[in-house]
Amino acid sequence: EPEVTQTPSHQVTQMGQEVILRCVPISNHLYFYWYRQILGQKVEFLVSFYNNEISEKSEIFDDQFSVERPDGSNFTLKIRSTKLEDSAMYFCASSGAGGATGANVLTFGAGSRLTVL
Amino acid sequence: DAKTTQPNSMESNEEEPVHLPCNHSTISGTDYIHWYRQLPSQGPEYVIHGLTSNVNNRMASLAIAEDRKSSTLILHRATLRDAAVYYCILRGTGNQFYFGTGTSLTVIP
Repeated sequence: EPEVTQTPSHQVTQMGQEVILRCVPISNHLYFYWYRQILGQKVEFLVSFYNNEISEKSEIFDDQFSVERPDGSNFTLKIRSTKLEDSAMYFCASSGAGGATGANVLTFGAGSRLTVL
Repeated sequence: DAKTTQPNSMESNEEEPVHLPCNHSTISGTDYIHWYRQLPSQGPEYVIHGLTSNVNNRMASLAIAEDRKSSTLILHRATLRDAAVYYCILRGTGNQFYFGTGTSLTVIP
């Protein structure tokens, strides 16, 4: 069964450093997403991406964050100048050509755990 | 996005059916009802979705009320591997997909 692959599985960084989290979505999917989950809290939407641009973003996704699809396979989340409160599990997801209809199903990766010291 | 309401937690005995309820009284006509689950230390996983009619797949069944203001996820025989947080999510047009706090299901051996 096709999978969404995320790397690294765990990253430890110092406060103020930049972090890039990488995702390989399912190959024929067109919509890409990042979510985060702070330990013990709910899964929070960060951003969605389609046709090489951000289609929607939450208020969490401020100037500290950016996303990019640098080639045909990778989808990255960059966090500039990390803060302690950025420590969380970050999930990438992708969905197929159903697009923005309510029927579209998301496939999630296993997540990247970010620890900011 | 329209809001959903789920019980915080439920328990079930192993190999018995489980009915997980969800209320969504403000659902709009174009909103699909999705269910995802999150096993411990894993990413969310799709379970099932529907619009108006009841749906079955290999994982579960989804029963949707006639007025669509509530739905029930049915696991026909709970196993220990079904212990997870189950999320009921309304998905309309647009790319947002918001998770609530879900129902934490405990399966008792």
